[in-house]
Amino acid sequence: DADVTQTPRNRITKTGKRIMLECSQTKGHDRMYWYRQDPGLGLRLIYYSFDVKDINKGEISDGYSVSRQAQAKFSLSLESAIPNQTALYFCATSEKGEDGYTFGSGTRLTVV
Amino acid sequence: QKEVEQNSGPLSVPEGAIASLNCTYSDRGSQSFFWYRQYSGKSPELIMFIYSNGDKEDGRFTAQLNKASQYVSLLIRDSQPSDSATYLCAVESPGGGNKLTFGTGTQLKVEL
Repeated sequence: DADVTQTPRNRITKTGKRIMLECSQTKGHDRMYWYRQDPGLGLRLIYYSFDVKDINKGEISDGYSVSRQAQAKFSLSLESAIPNQTALYFCATSEKGEDGYTFGSGTRLTVV
Repeated sequence: QKEVEQNSGPLSVPEGAIASLNCTYSDRGSQSFFWYRQYSGKSPELIMFIYSNGDKEDGRFTAQLNKASQYVSLLIRDSQPSDSATYLCAVESPGGGNKLTFGTGTQLKVEL
């Protein structure tokens, strides 16, 4: 099993719908992150969490919310999806130091 | 000015040559720097971490850091077609916490 699992892998949804992307990890890391990746814009931080009780906005949090249900689970919600939220979404985990991030396989979201 | 800048490429090199990828960053207080490789449609994977000025070598990869010039580079020796990917430079925020800011990536093509 992958260390960081994202579900679903692909999703097509309609404008205005609420959608949740889920992330679970077996690394035992306290720190978890949600990024979105768009062509030409790179990876941009949406939300991050340093532990279950510590959740922080990233640079592009508008239109998104998150829930840290447990150390191992960090979910991203789009309350009312819009087409410009079409992107590749990555969950990542980390510990302090040189190991950097462990990324999930990504969720490709299309809002039509 | 973007916080982390990379030339988007594509950078084309012949097989066996040295590929040189460059990255500049704006926050002089940044301390830790990462290089990730990302194949099309896949998640980024960590290939190098550096935090001290100078060179750090790992196999065919060498990371170079110059904090005075706010510049970090990645050299790939004996480039192989399997090295064809997008290379992402990431910089840890000065406040720590492993919060990374990514460049938009440089696409590398290694030609036979």
